[in-house]
Amino acid sequence: AQKITQTQPGMFVQEKEAVTLDCTYDTSDPSYGLFWYKQPSSGEMIFLIYQGSYDQQNATEGRYSLNFQKARKSANLVISASQLGDSAMYFCAMRGQGGSQGNLIFGKGTKLSVKP
Amino acid sequence: DAMVIQNPRYQVTQFGKPVTLSCSQTLNHNVMYWYQQKSSQAPKLLFHYYDKDFNNEADTPDNFQSRRPNTSFCFLDIRSPGLGDAAMYLCATSRQGSNQPQHFGDGTRLSIL
Repeated sequence: AQKITQTQPGMFVQEKEAVTLDCTYDTSDPSYGLFWYKQPSSGEMIFLIYQGSYDQQNATEGRYSLNFQKARKSANLVISASQLGDSAMYFCAMRGQGGSQGNLIFGKGTKLSVKP
Repeated sequence: DAMVIQNPRYQVTQFGKPVTLSCSQTLNHNVMYWYQQKSSQAPKLLFHYYDKDFNNEADTPDNFQSRRPNTSFCFLDIRSPGLGDAAMYLCATSRQGSNQPQHFGDGTRLSIL
């Protein structure tokens, strides 16, 4: 069975500092994708970054980067130079080859609060 | 420009009164999804369409049904809403493949009176 674990229910970070949001996963699929989404209080889910299981390099997308450690089954999101607008829920998710085509497994999320 | 559009943004219905939520997309993605998200929880997949093929999650209540009349539109029908169905309903689309991200609409927040 596939599983995503986010152990930090809430995090605080000072504006302009970097922050790491943790995500570990479990899967038996040899090929899978890992995703991070941001959900502001208004409710929409915003896709941030993707990491494929066979990708050799860590994904980066602007201020977002993914610290992918395959042997440890972790895919932590790093946000550099935090901004007040980064305050939101962040969900780590995984999608594998096996099972349902639509099966994007979400973690429980981490609520990030950026302090001025 | 919004690419996955959900209407309405807020919906209020009475206990037991059928309600339909709508979703449209301009991305021409072949897969469309409906999620239910309750307060402080992760989204929960209800069902998805791969083209016209309907896939129901095992624990989706019979009260929930869906229609996809064409590539662009998908509807969520709740036949007899109960108080426990009050939630945010998120529509998403993607291309086929495990490396394809799902693109979400802004959601419809459903309240039950």
